Amino acid sequence: GQQVMQIPQYQHVQEGEDFTTYCNSSTTLSNIQWYKQRPGGHPVFLIQLVKSGEVKKQKRLTFQFGEAKKNSSLHITATQTTDVGTYFCAGPGVNDMRFGAGTRLTVKP
Amino acid sequence: GAGVSQSPRYKVTKRGQDVALRCDPISGHVSLYWYRQALGQGPEFLTYFNYEAQQDKSGLPNDRFSAERPEGSISTLTIQRTEQRDSAMYRCASSLTPRGLSNNSPLHFGNGTRLTVT
Repeated sequence: GQQVMQIPQYQHVQEGEDFTTYCNSSTTLSNIQWYKQRPGGHPVFLIQLVKSGEVKKQKRLTFQFGEAKKNSSLHITATQTTDVGTYFCAGPGVNDMRFGAGTRLTVKP
Repeated sequence: GAGVSQSPRYKVTKRGQDVALRCDPISGHVSLYWYRQALGQGPEFLTYFNYEAQQDKSGLPNDRFSAERPEGSISTLTIQRTEQRDSAMYRCASSLTPRGLSNNSPLHFGNGTRLTVT
């Protein structure tokens, strides 16, 4: 079935540095969702992208959906310690959303 | 209103025992999902309901796992004859509307039930 792959698995940055995580699918996605899970917490919805080439921003976070709708990225500008957590992308399966393995971000103050 | 509520928060059981995990979704949410999340991994789909109807149970690992949502609200995931490999975080999520072709309602996750089988 459809799977989404995320890279990198881990990313450790100094506070103030930028961070990017990538999500790739072997099949075209009708849409893609991004979630953030804080340590010890549960996944929390961030955003959904639907259109080819779509770019959405949430403060320091920029989300992109590829032209072919097979990949997506999340970029965080000037990371802060509050950005710590695991970021998941999720693409639609037959009846569910299929999650990637996530990128775990740690930020050194 | 309140978010998705799951109970118990932690469950330790002995191998061979049955367990029942409960999920109380956000009021008015049509769809309810059960996921399992291993440490360091993303949520893995188990099963899905629209109202009281189980739409898809293809993710349930084997016939020891079952789920119900008899009145279209609270759901129970039951694991019979638990095995150590069943140990994981079990998460419930609900969404306002059923999954569509292009737009999907966000999934709202509960805090999960951490199941440990000894």
